[in-house]
Amino acid sequence: QLQVQESGPGLVKPSETLSLTCTVSGGSIRSSTYYWGWIRQSPGKGLEWIGSIYYSGSTYYNPSLKSRVIMSVDTSKNQFSLKLSSVTAADTAVYYCARQRTSGVHLWDIDYWGQGTLVTVSS
Amino acid sequence: DVVMTQTSLSLSVTPGQPASISCKSSQSLLHGDGKTYLYWYLQRPGQPPQLLISDISNRFSGVPDRFSGSGSGTDFTLKISRVEAEDVGIYYCMQSIQLPYTFGQGTKLEIK
Repeated sequence: QLQVQESGPGLVKPSETLSLTCTVSGGSIRSSTYYWGWIRQSPGKGLEWIGSIYYSGSTYYNPSLKSRVIMSVDTSKNQFSLKLSSVTAADTAVYYCARQRTSGVHLWDIDYWGQGTLVTVSS
Repeated sequence: DVVMTQTSLSLSVTPGQPASISCKSSQSLLHGDGKTYLYWYLQRPGQPPQLLISDISNRFSGVPDRFSGSGSGTDFTLKISRVEAEDVGIYYCMQSIQLPYTFGQGTKLEIK
């Protein structure tokens, strides 16, 4: 059974960089049929797709966050990561890592989600 | 952005009765490849969302057959034939025809 698990600081100061890692177990991140993504959920904005990355490093980002987002993948550790720079209180949310299916040309549904980790932006 | 609108924010249903949840998109989700990029999720209290339905009507592995999806173009519906207590939570639709992928605001299902 595939599992994805988020890890990282729960508190980040304004203007700093939020960094999260997702560890994949029960399956290989080096799959041709999946991208690996990040979604966040806040009371004010609901569910927001942040972006997804392929094991080769190819990425799709939400245009509204693209200038502040960097995703990376470490196939040797079966992990992928999210960095969100210049954070403000509006970035406070539960961050989920997840697996997103792909045809190779198009991204489809998100079929496995982590439990989520709350990240609070506050001084 | 493609705006996903769920017209009902909440509904209260008696166990054993049917339920219907609507989702409308601001543009057609039918791609030129013939596929419609519309999905349904259920988020139970304290849990992450879980996939219920893909491509309008395909139930994900392990999803009970009391859940069904229908629709086309810009109008979609999730139906539960007989609501059970475990169906409580928030239902979201999502599209992936165009970046950024977007979700509806959710419809909360409660049991009477």
